[in-house]
Amino acid sequence: KNEVEQSPQNLTAQEGEFITINCSYSVGISALHWLQQHPGGGIVSLFMLSSGKKKHGRLIATINIQEKHSSLHITASHPRDSAVYICAVLANSGGSNYKLTFGKGTLLTVNP
Amino acid sequence: DSGVTQTPKHLITATGQRVTLRCSPRSGDLSVYWYQQSLDQGLQFLIQYYNGEERAKGNILERFSAQQFPDLHSELNLSSLELGDSALYFCASSVLGLAGAQFFGPGTRLTVL
Repeated sequence: KNEVEQSPQNLTAQEGEFITINCSYSVGISALHWLQQHPGGGIVSLFMLSSGKKKHGRLIATINIQEKHSSLHITASHPRDSAVYICAVLANSGGSNYKLTFGKGTLLTVNP
Repeated sequence: DSGVTQTPKHLITATGQRVTLRCSPRSGDLSVYWYQQSLDQGLQFLIQYYNGEERAKGNILERFSAQQFPDLHSELNLSSLELGDSALYFCASSVLGLAGAQFFGPGTRLTVL
C-alpha cells in the first residue's frame, strides 16, 4: 500500500460542477502539499497545509490530521482547470530528516 | 513564469553516459529541490539544498549527485545512465524548507537511448 493514496485516479466533469479530489495518507505528517500539473508538464504549488482549511479563488483545501485525510475542492469548475492534481505529504523520517512522498495524481478533465 | 529556470530543456544521451542538469532558483530563495518524474514511478523527491548545504535526501540513487553553489544555482549530475533514468527532472525553489510553498521550474526532459 502506498503511503499516499489519491482518489479518484481520473475524473471527468462538466463545466460549472463542484469537484472534490481526495488524499489519504498512512503516516504522521508535518505538512501536506497540493500541486497542479498542466498538460504541458509545468507544476504549480497550490496549497501547503498543516491544519484546517485554505482558500484561494475557486480552490479550497482542507485537512483532517486525525483522520489522515485531505481534500481539494474546485468550485464552478472550468475547462482551464483540466490538469493532474497531486498530493504530497511531508513526514519525519528520523531525527532531523524529512521525506516528501507524492500520490500518483488525479487526472481532471473539465468539459465545456 | 515561476522565476525558476532549468537548462537544458531536452537532453538525449546514451546509456553509460554522464549528464549535468542546471537550475537557477527564484531571486531570494535559498532552498533548491530536485525531483524526478517518470511514467511508472510518478513524482519522486531526490534531494534538497539550503544555502549551499544538503538539507534533505529522498530517493536519490548513488549514481546521482547534486550541489548548490555560492550563487545558489544548483546542478544535478547523473552518471552511468540507464534506460530507466529517462524522465522529467524538475527543480523547485523556496524561501524556507520543505514545509513551505515551492516554485517549480519547467523541467528537463532526459531521454536515455
